[in-house]
Amino acid sequence: GDSVTQMEGPVTLSEEAFLTINCTYTATGYPSLFWYVQYPGEGLQLLLKATKADDKGSNKGFEATYRKETTSFHLEKGSVQVSDSAVYFCALSGISGTYKYIFGTGTRLKVLA
Amino acid sequence: EAGVVQSPRYKIIEKKQPVAFWCNPISGHNTLYWYLQNLGQGPELLIRYENEEAVDDSQLPKDRFSAERLKGVDSTLKIQPAELGDSAVYLCASSPGGGATDTQYFGPGTRLTVL
Repeated sequence: GDSVTQMEGPVTLSEEAFLTINCTYTATGYPSLFWYVQYPGEGLQLLLKATKADDKGSNKGFEATYRKETTSFHLEKGSVQVSDSAVYFCALSGISGTYKYIFGTGTRLKVLA
Repeated sequence: EAGVVQSPRYKIIEKKQPVAFWCNPISGHNTLYWYLQNLGQGPELLIRYENEEAVDDSQLPKDRFSAERLKGVDSTLKIQPAELGDSAVYLCASSPGGGATDTQYFGPGTRLTVL
């Protein structure tokens, strides 16, 4: 069935380090892909999205490129800050034309000063 | 612009008791979603509303869960009776429409603990 697989956390980095969080998906058709972030005590917030192959989503220094050939949507940031500490969720929707979101299990990021 | 509002934020009950969660979506958003998030997992859809109509409730355990969105705005999710396994975070989200590329806006969630 359709699914999203994320790398397990926690990911612990020092401030200003380079971040990659891997996300791969299995889906029929051509889904839209999303990264959501959940800060402590808050709801999920959209970080970025891409709706077709080769699209790059970007926001707040984060980027992810929709790679159809590798069915991936890896999240990257060149220099993380302590304030980036949160849980990051990869998700897809639009399978077979439907709205339905499928989320990954989330990856916790801890950034140390 | 106000975000999605949920209450209560936390609820502790004993098993077999009833519990209800309330959600007020972003003004003008026709589509409302209830999700269940277990510890260490991503959210899973329980039910989706288009205005006041439940258009997808296939994942809602209807023997004990119910939901309503009477005027197409606020929504209530109820569990009766609660079981130990219902301990989780219940998230509400809304979107302007129900399209595949639409962004869903999430509330902070209600953390339920069943003792």
